[in-house]
Amino acid sequence: DVKVTQSSRYLVKRTGEKVFLECVQDMDHENMFWYRQDPGLGLRLIYFSYDVKMKEKGDIPEGYSVSREKKERFSLILESASTNQTSMYLCASSLPGTGKFSGNTIYFGEGSWLTVV
Amino acid sequence: RKEVEQDPGPFNVPEGATVAFNCTYSNSASQSFFWYRQDCRKEPKLLMSVYSSGNEDGRFTAQLNRASQYISLLIRDSKLSDSATYLCVVNGGGGSYIPTFGRGTSLIVHP
Repeated sequence: DVKVTQSSRYLVKRTGEKVFLECVQDMDHENMFWYRQDPGLGLRLIYFSYDVKMKEKGDIPEGYSVSREKKERFSLILESASTNQTSMYLCASSLPGTGKFSGNTIYFGEGSWLTVV
Repeated sequence: RKEVEQDPGPFNVPEGATVAFNCTYSNSASQSFFWYRQDCRKEPKLLMSVYSSGNEDGRFTAQLNRASQYISLLIRDSKLSDSATYLCVVNGGGGSYIPTFGRGTSLIVHP
């Protein structure tokens, strides 16, 4: 069965701390994504990666960075956490390709709830 | 103009009712379409893909209208367990593989 695992489900961090959110998928997917979801704002794309060591900015990359050293792992880094980064963070993965809906189905992890105090 | 738009609702319906949601998209080159379901404080999960010819899965029917650039989801005989937020997802077009999500439509089914 398809599996995207976010190891940290609930975190409380202090302002200014460096935060790592880890995501691992076991489906050999090329594409991986990090979103945050806030009430009334829907899902917003932070960063995505279409291959190992490749990354591209999404809609709200400010204050975040990512790392993809291995195909199965995509990490989100908050260099200096701030209170406005309190949110639910969702990792996702999908196969590549365009025009083939079966290849574009996106699978989500269970989410990481981050509170910055 | 938002790329993918949905009525946020909530749609408040009694058990057994039929309810329909629409979702409009702006990129005419979009290639694939999905409906996801998200329960409160959970991750979105794939409900169904939307094919050009329409797609039916039990009580759920999804349709695509390319000319008017919208997709729809019809739920028949609503159950209490159908209460959730339904997200429209549009993918592809112009060489992009990045899915675009609507903000979701909230459905509340009451006894």
